[in-house]
Amino acid sequence: AQKVTQAQTEISVVEKEDVTLDCVYETRDTTYYLFWYKQPPSGELVFLIRRNSFDEQNEISGRYSWNFQKSTSSFNFTITASQVVDSAVYFCALSEEPNSGYALNFGKGTSLLVTP
Amino acid sequence: GAGVSQSPSNKVTEKGKDVELRCDPISGHTALYWYRQSLGQGLEFLIYFQGNSAPDKSGLPSDRFSAERTGGSVSTLTIQRTQQEDSAVYLCASSLEGTVAEAFFGQGTRLTVV
Repeated sequence: AQKVTQAQTEISVVEKEDVTLDCVYETRDTTYYLFWYKQPPSGELVFLIRRNSFDEQNEISGRYSWNFQKSTSSFNFTITASQVVDSAVYFCALSEEPNSGYALNFGKGTSLLVTP
Repeated sequence: GAGVSQSPSNKVTEKGKDVELRCDPISGHTALYWYRQSLGQGLEFLIYFQGNSAPDKSGLPSDRFSAERTGGSVSTLTIQRTQQEDSAVYLCASSLEGTVAEAFFGQGTRLTVV
């Protein structure tokens, strides 16, 4: 069963628009961790954020913000005033298994295209 | 090195041949992970190393896949008798402690089985 669902396969926006990438997760554990990674065309996965299950405080980093809501098992990612350089595939991931070194269980990814 | 290094960056092999993929993690990182990224399956976890031991091999797709790590550093992922469905990008990641520290990824090895 898919533990992380990113329902949006592709999103296309015009530069300066705000865009929200959705992520819904499924777990029975009370302790878990959520991540967002960016994969630009170069292919290397770049870490954006990590959140633990006990910290529901939303976070803002520049144009990026994250909304974690345990009640809806969601960890959404918003880019404000998008730029062409934001074009990439974005992955949401869940980590819950200490025996696997907390390996990442990824969603299928959302491909974001920002056009000028 | 400064980051996780994988080699080769690209590999084309004939069906039935064996291949070896190499990962050099960031120096000092004790945890190492292999993932596979393919169009149909997305990003899948394959195996996790803590030091030289692999506590979790649950993601390896078949017994044709094996991996080892030596000296707590370099890791090799071996695929025997390659099949076309093995075609994918194989990504390696390393992290400091294998807890929930940030994992740093290499640029991957693109494997094409023809």
